[in-house]
Amino acid sequence: DAKTTQPPSMDCAEGRAANLPCNHSTISGNEYVYWYRQIHSQGPQYIIHGLKNNETNEMASLIITEDRKSSTLILPHATLRDTAVYYCIVLNTGGFKTIFGAGTRLFVKA
Amino acid sequence: GAVVSQHPSWVICKSGTSVKIECRSLDFQATTMFWYRQFPKQSLMLMATSNEGSKATYEQGVEKDKFLINHASLTLSTLTVTSAHPEDSSFYICSGGATNEQFFGPGTRLTVL
Repeated sequence: DAKTTQPPSMDCAEGRAANLPCNHSTISGNEYVYWYRQIHSQGPQYIIHGLKNNETNEMASLIITEDRKSSTLILPHATLRDTAVYYCIVLNTGGFKTIFGAGTRLFVKA
Repeated sequence: GAVVSQHPSWVICKSGTSVKIECRSLDFQATTMFWYRQFPKQSLMLMATSNEGSKATYEQGVEKDKFLINHASLTLSTLTVTSAHPEDSSFYICSGGATNEQFFGPGTRLTVL
């Protein structure tokens, strides 16, 4: 079973920040938090990952709470092309065996 | 990032026939590859872990004799759906790991008539 809990859907206005929450209260010390997204009828796309520090790249920012039990993915300026299902996954990179939960369906509206 | 390709991108076949799907890591070597299946409006379901040079490890409930997996080289894994039936119609996705990321293929849509 997936180790994360995410809201099933969220809306965001185009140009605004999209904040996608994820709960992973049973995460262990050697597990990373990964975020992927899947645009309709495509393979999942890697977004970002982190262990305990906040991370930022050209796509998004990842904020992990100090106790590591939850995190938030931030898309700073959402566009219509960001409409997708976003998956939060906890993963031990030693194996890469990735179990997907239901994810959050993000709708970016004009 | 690294690239994973799948071939074909879509296939339509008659019930009872077998279909082979190829998964290639184009610019990295993947000791381990994974195969997923995704039904409409559902999440990805892990089917099996494909290990180069050894037998695949199947998830509970996945029929190993129906979904044959071969991982003959570090850049190629194949999934063969044998004696396909309409209920096998789905979106099949493979992935391979490199460094700290897992890269997914674009998927293959299988329709069994």
